[in-house]
Amino acid sequence: GAVVSQHPSRVICKSGTSVKIECRSLDFQATTMFWYRQFPKQSLMLMATSNEGSKATYEQGVEKDKFLINHASLTLSTLTVTSAHPEDSSFYICSARDRGRSPGHGYTFGSGTRLTVV
Amino acid sequence: DQQVKQNSPSLSVQEGRISILNCDYTNSMFDYFLWYKKYPAEGPTFLISISSIKDKNEDGRFTVFLNKSAKHLSLHIVPSQPGDSAVYFCAAIVTGTASKLTFGTGTRLQVTL
Repeated sequence: GAVVSQHPSRVICKSGTSVKIECRSLDFQATTMFWYRQFPKQSLMLMATSNEGSKATYEQGVEKDKFLINHASLTLSTLTVTSAHPEDSSFYICSARDRGRSPGHGYTFGSGTRLTVV
Repeated sequence: DQQVKQNSPSLSVQEGRISILNCDYTNSMFDYFLWYKKYPAEGPTFLISISSIKDKNEDGRFTVFLNKSAKHLSLHIVPSQPGDSAVYFCAAIVTGTASKLTFGTGTRLQVTL
């Protein structure tokens, strides 16, 4: 089956520093990847849609200069949290869309990244 | 604006009985619906889906029912097993567009012995 690898699984960083999270589709090409954020006991909130070779599309209220997304290849998208602050602490999850599969099976999620900013 | 809602944040069911998880949506453009299971600190895993042209889809112990007129779907798990204990999210898509998933608020299912 489709596999999406997300790294790191957890990271602790100091306030003001930047953190990069990688999302890789291991056995399929993903022209579209999605980045979500989940607060404790809440839903997965879509942050942005990442399209290979073009600029990401951000959801309303998401600061594109703070959450930099790069989708330079068909198998890799990165999310960089710039100048992180404690309020950025959250669980970040990526998803890759395999358009060769039906919608039901076409979304594969990474295992998530727990970001803690101290 | 929460377009997909799961009004029960938690549900407790005895092993062997039926679990029914509910989901409501407001956007009539949604035409494909999915259910995901999620454990803490992990990504969601796909369970079952249904197209808006159907009203029922079954896969083993899992059945999803869709009532378009009521904008309501439900996931039935029977018989429930302790391993089913997790958070369940419904999600919806407008296919043919950016196809981004809109998730519900989640229901924590606890299957007791």
